[in-house]
Amino acid sequence: DIQMTQSPASLSASLGETVTIECRASEDIYNGLAWYQQKPGKSPQLLIYNANSLHTGVPSRFSGSGSGTQYSLKINSLQSEDVASYFCQQYYDYPFTFGSGTKLEIK
Amino acid sequence: QVQLKESGPGLVQPSQTLSLTCTVSGLSLTSNSVSWIRQPPGKGLEWMGVIWSNGGTDYNSAIKSRLSISRDTSKSQVFLKMNSLQTEDTAMYFCATLSIPGWFAYWGQGTLVTVSS
Repeated sequence: DIQMTQSPASLSASLGETVTIECRASEDIYNGLAWYQQKPGKSPQLLIYNANSLHTGVPSRFSGSGSGTQYSLKINSLQSEDVASYFCQQYYDYPFTFGSGTKLEIK
Repeated sequence: QVQLKESGPGLVQPSQTLSLTCTVSGLSLTSNSVSWIRQPPGKGLEWMGVIWSNGGTDYNSAIKSRLSISRDTSKSQVFLKMNSLQTEDTAMYFCATLSIPGWFAYWGQGTLVTVSS
């Protein structure tokens, strides 16, 4: 199985800041990567697919980048509604696997 | 508007079989694929399996021997059956649409399953 290592596990930032979350795959996943946001008590919501394509309705302050085994999610101008956990997911190979998550809080 | 809703028993006894239903609206199961994904309390996400738009299935090898996914297209429902449940199967179970090649665009609210005697 492809292992997805996500960092940091938790993150605290101020409103208006830019934050970056990293995801490293155990092998090349050829941009087969998605990012999700999960607010407390809710289901995950798709943010990014194909490593850098923004899902419909997702604010443009979210962006994804990367290639090979290294990928990142950037959130510009952090807002209070961005408090959530964020997960990466690879779909290059079965079984689809997720990162362990990053919990984002406001400082 | 695409909606998915999971339903099933909240409590299952150890060694018993779990049966869950995902009711879908706003899309056709003959044109869309649906996956089951679970999340133990306070932990990460595990992909369980998928039923493709053509009715074929694929499962996570870690649980393949215990899992079955099926559907009733006339009722827009997808079913999960998993046998030999243990306490480590306690989790929130989600169904979600699977956009080829493999991201999950729409999710249900989830249903919590507790395995306990």
